[in-house]
Amino acid sequence: GESVGLHLPTLSVQEGDNSIINCAYSNSASDYFIWYKQESGKGPQFIIDIRSNMDKRQGQRVTVLLNKTVKHLSLQIAATQPGDSAVYFCAERPSFQKLVFGTGTRLLVSP
Amino acid sequence: NAGVTQTPKFQVLKTGQSMTLQCAQDMNHEYMSWYRQDPGMGLRLIHYSVGAGITDQGEVPNGYNVSRSTTEDFPLRLLSAAPSQTSVYFCASSIGQGTYGYTFGSGTRLTVV
Repeated sequence: GESVGLHLPTLSVQEGDNSIINCAYSNSASDYFIWYKQESGKGPQFIIDIRSNMDKRQGQRVTVLLNKTVKHLSLQIAATQPGDSAVYFCAERPSFQKLVFGTGTRLLVSP
Repeated sequence: NAGVTQTPKFQVLKTGQSMTLQCAQDMNHEYMSWYRQDPGMGLRLIHYSVGAGITDQGEVPNGYNVSRSTTEDFPLRLLSAAPSQTSVYFCASSIGQGTYGYTFGSGTRLTVV
């Protein structure tokens, strides 16, 4: 919603640039990770996921990288568009059916 | 196929009042959950259910009750509303195998005065 993320870190990019959004997760036992996109006034929308036995996974214009050594996850968006403007959350699964969400990053795309 | 439907979209309660937030899904998902979203804190798990008749507590369960009498519905009850429960509430469901993205509802914005 509009009140979420008053103090969120913000990434500002120009249309057409590549965007990289980073996330540090906390639990080394997490076996599954998801990136979500949340537009203002809407619920989170699934973007891409990755299992802990993978380092990289690609989707349409998006790539997720997982570095288990430093517990770091990143989302790369190619050729960023104004419609990509939103808050992006990573989530980790430390145990079955429990997702722990990060605090989010706001992506602002300028035309 | 409507996905996950939450009602109401907005609600204002007085301190001490009770109410039920409704959540329904038509995807035959076994797993359903409730999250609250507060500024700067991401989404926090309140309660979840792995199937009809089975519920469990999440990270912040105090002040909330749930039940799961059918696969489709997973209502969240606030027993005695407090200002600290002012938040945006999201219901989510998944097929239950844990390796698929969760589908979220559009949220209920609750204000307790």
